[in-house]
Order: sequence, then C-alpha cells, then structure tokens
Amino acid sequence: QVQLVESGGGVVQPGRSLRLSCAASGFTFSRHGMHWVRQAPGKGLEWVAVISIDGSIKYYAESVKGRFTISRDNSKNRLFLQMNSLRAEDTAVYYCAREMTTVPHDAFDIWGQGTMVSVSS
Amino acid sequence: QSVLTQPPSASGTPGQRVTISCSGSSSNIGSNTVSWYQHLPGTAPKLLIYNNNQRPSGVPDRFSGSKSGTSASLAISGLQSDDEADYYCAAWDDSLNVVVFGGGTKLTVL
Repeated sequence: QVQLVESGGGVVQPGRSLRLSCAASGFTFSRHGMHWVRQAPGKGLEWVAVISIDGSIKYYAESVKGRFTISRDNSKNRLFLQMNSLRAEDTAVYYCAREMTTVPHDAFDIWGQGTMVSVSS
Repeated sequence: QSVLTQPPSASGTPGQRVTISCSGSSSNIGSNTVSWYQHLPGTAPKLLIYNNNQRPSGVPDRFSGSKSGTSASLAISGLQSDDEADYYCAAWDDSLNVVVFGGGTKLTVL
C-alpha cells in the first residue's frame, strides 16, 4: 500500500525548533521528488519546499527560506523538514507529498494525512 | 495574495456542470503544466487532474481540465453532493523557482 505518514508536529514556542518526519512505504522512495505543503487555519494550501530524488536540489518558499531545511534519507525512506526560528504564522497542518513521476515539478499524486504544528507562547 | 487566481467560491445544484478558473502568468501556467486538487478539511488533498487535462486512475470522468495560454480551468459535470470541497490549482513557477497554488475555490452543492 502506497502511503506517506507524517510525524513530529506539536506545540512549540516562538523562536524554537521542530523537526517533522515523513515515512514513505509501498513505493521506491528514491525515485520521486518530495515536497512539503502546509495549510494554516482558515487558509489555503501553501507550498513550502521540494527536494530532488538524490537530495542535491532544494527549493523553498520565500516565507521559510533561511529558517527551514528539507532533507531526505533514501536508505530509510524518510523525508524531513527541520524548522528553526518558528513564528506564529508557521502554525499549520504540514503535509508531505510525492511527485507523480520522475519528471521534475510533476503533480503531487500521494499525500500524507498531515501533522499539526502550533507556534504559541 | 496567491500567484494563481481562483474565484473564492462556486456553487451548483445536483446534476449541473460547474467550472472553476485559474489565472496565472507566462512564468507558471504559461510554461508549465497545471494540476488540480480536491481537499476536504481534515483529510489529505487528492489529485484530480495532472498535465493540464489528465485524470489519475480512479478519478471519475465527470472531472475534466483544460489550459489555454496563462489560464486553466476545472470542470465538474453531473454535480454530486460529495463534490462539496475546496479545489486548488497548482503549477511550477520558473521565475520564482517555487510551486504556486491558487487561493482555492470552495464549491457548494445547493
């Protein structure tokens, strides 16, 4: 069964850090680019970051650049998002998503259920 | 303000056909493929359309997508109550090197 399962969310104070994880199963993880997408309460979907199949290429949304780092461990079929200097506006449900094919910037065909991150003092 | 522009809401009665538009620019929709997602609160978003007009297996042919220039649209025919959800368009933006989403359209089935 092809699936993605996020973990690591929680409540954190502004300025602190949190590391999200996404466990992949049922497919060859190392063949797909991977993304993080978030949805703040009452808002729409917002793309956060992408990482290429070998981890050599990474892009970030302007809102998280310099604070968040996307990484992956293909040997463990895991995707990560290290979030530093968290702000109230980072409060959201964070989803990991798989690129459909090996074509760069393809559609997201598999999504996780999401993990909630709340940044509050 | 989203880079891709969608109407915030749309509605229709059961059996009707509704269309949701998505407007972008030459750096995103104009030069890359568009995908569409259906999202119900508390659930994982679902891919409805990829490569502008292709449906993944399992998506009913009531859903169709099209693209022309810097705009795209999603059409839903034979509207059903289960179609009530938020719909988002997305594309890669070559100038920004990011994925851009539309602001989302909330579809109500009257």
